[in-house]
Amino acid sequence: DIQMTQSPSSLSASVGDRVTITCRASQNIDTYLNWYQQKAGKAPKFLIHAASTLQRGVPSRFSGSGSGTDFTLTISSLEPEDFATYYCQQTTRLPLTFGGGTKVE
Amino acid sequence: EVQLVQSGAQVRKPGESLNISCQSSGYRFTSAWIGWVRQMPGKGLEWVAIIYPGDSDTKYNPSLQGQVTISVDNSINTAYLQWTSLKASDTAIYYCVIHRVPSGYFDSWGPGTRVTVS
Repeated sequence: DIQMTQSPSSLSASVGDRVTITCRASQNIDTYLNWYQQKAGKAPKFLIHAASTLQRGVPSRFSGSGSGTDFTLTISSLEPEDFATYYCQQTTRLPLTFGGGTKVE
Repeated sequence: EVQLVQSGAQVRKPGESLNISCQSSGYRFTSAWIGWVRQMPGKGLEWVAIIYPGDSDTKYNPSLQGQVTISVDNSINTAYLQWTSLKASDTAIYYCVIHRVPSGYFDSWGPGTRVTVS
């Protein structure tokens, strides 16, 4: 199985901060990397696919980058509604696997 | 707009059987993979299984294969996840998802079904 490792597991930030979350794959996944946002008590929401393509309706303050094994999710200026847990996911090979999550608080 | 309506919360005892459902609308049901992702209490996301309603092709997470069964009823645009003998470790929230190929992302999520085995 491809292991996905996110760091940090949690971070403290303030409104207006620039936030960067990293995700590392245990082997090359090209750009088969997706990002999701989950707020407390809610279902996850799909944000980004193919490492850097924003889903329709996702604010442009979110961006993704990377390829191969190293990826980042960046929020350029944190808004109050962005406090949540973020997960990366690889979809190059079954089983589909997620990172452990990064809680932004 | 895609909508996924999941069955309500369930409480069962170990060894009992269970069937949870996800009824979809807003797209052609037989043309997209549909599946399940679980989240154990206080934990992250774990992919369970997917099925292609067009031909019933199924894929399972090897860590769960044999413990659950995914199926569909195309006449009512509904996917199911079934257990024949529940364990306490099956306690989780189960999310119904639409799986888009070839990129593989889950772009639509149901609200979740909480399953408690105790």
